[in-house]
Amino acid sequence: DAKTTQPPSMDCAEGRAANLPCNHSTISGNEYVYWYRQIHSQGPQYIIHGLKNNETNEMASLIITEDRKSSTLILPHATLRDTAVYYCIVRVGMANAGKSTFGDGTTLTVKP
Amino acid sequence: DAGVTQSPTHLIKTRGQQVTLRCSPKSGHDTVSWYQQALGQGPQFIFQYYEEEERQRGNFPDRFSGHQFPNYSSELNVNALLLGDSALYLCASSLNEKLFFGSGTQLSVL
Repeated sequence: DAKTTQPPSMDCAEGRAANLPCNHSTISGNEYVYWYRQIHSQGPQYIIHGLKNNETNEMASLIITEDRKSSTLILPHATLRDTAVYYCIVRVGMANAGKSTFGDGTTLTVKP
Repeated sequence: DAGVTQSPTHLIKTRGQQVTLRCSPKSGHDTVSWYQQALGQGPQFIFQYYEEEERQRGNFPDRFSGHQFPNYSSELNVNALLLGDSALYLCASSLNEKLFFGSGTQLSVL
């Protein structure tokens, strides 16, 4: 699985968009980008994933650059409950869902 | 629909002891993976079970072993506990590409 690089921490004002970057310059053609988040004292929660097209669901949007070497997770209107550690993971899509390589993630703090 | 459930939630053991952690996957999920999460770090993959067999393993010693039952539930066993085994142990079940995690078992080794 490709290695990812994320900033260790970010702040965001409540109600504003939170943009969390992830670099994955060694990504292979068959590898997807996945995002999970972990709120304190809970297990990680799946947010979104994509291959090369931008994706949106009820939780967030995922923007992947054309060369696929980086991506951005966007929380459009951050709330205090979005304070969490956000993990960007790159791995082959449908296969081997269990074996995911988590880095140390980005701690997002949403401030009132 | 119950999600992934783990037991116990907290556990205290002493060095050299053995421990068994349990996990019930989300309904309909047939694959279970175990992760170890040290304080301040991301989860590290231990192993994955599918059809009652260990299918993949991370960089963990043989002291870490597991089992999957016909109902897809799973156990993680750790023998000869070390202080460094103190961590949050997470179970995740999957169907296709998404992982669903439990809240974990916090293991403290004294």
